[in-house]
Amino acid sequence: AQSVTQPDIHITVSEGASLELRCNYSYGATPYLFWYVQSPGQGLQLLLKYFSGDTLVQGIKGFEAEFKRSQSSFNLRKPSVHWSDAAEYFCAAIKGTGAQKLVFGQGTRLTINP
Amino acid sequence: DTAVSQTPKYLVTQMGNDKSIKCEQNLGHDTMYWYKQDSKKFLKIMFSYNNKELIINETVPNRFSPKSPDKAHLNLHINSLELGDSAVYFCASSQGTSMNTGELFFGEGSRLTVL
Repeated sequence: AQSVTQPDIHITVSEGASLELRCNYSYGATPYLFWYVQSPGQGLQLLLKYFSGDTLVQGIKGFEAEFKRSQSSFNLRKPSVHWSDAAEYFCAAIKGTGAQKLVFGQGTRLTINP
Repeated sequence: DTAVSQTPKYLVTQMGNDKSIKCEQNLGHDTMYWYKQDSKKFLKIMFSYNNKELIINETVPNRFSPKSPDKAHLNLHINSLELGDSAVYFCASSQGTSMNTGELFFGEGSRLTVL
């Protein structure tokens, strides 16, 4: 079955430290890939997306993600986190054409230590 | 000016009742969605409408009935509420049905608690 997996349910990092959130997908071909962020009590906001081309994509708020076909991964990174980055992060994927279904991973909760 | 707005934000009700959640978007998008987020934060699509036409209908109990009076509105009516319906329901919109046209814009969610 096509799916998106985020292996880490909860990650804690110190403010100023680097961050990497993992995402793996299982699709027959390369899907379109997304990272969304959900701040407490808010809806989801798109951080970045990958369709094709350069495998390192830049997003908002200083985030970037790297697509690695050989590892079926699309990990999210940030060189230095801020306290305001504390949120739930969702990797998502979609494949094919026609009516689209965005399939989300389980989410990773990010806690920032001062 | 809120792009995707949902009402109510919180809803507490008894089992067996019928309730509705309303969604409006002012982005000019032609596709709208309902997602359900359970207590473990897992997000799953329920329905999608494109220009008032239902295009995605996941395996959702027929107690859930979406209605789209126009392409800017997508309401969700739930009959005979059950405890398992407790969740946060998110409305979202996009331009077009093909995801390579852009991103989904989400509302802030409606937290439904069934007692």
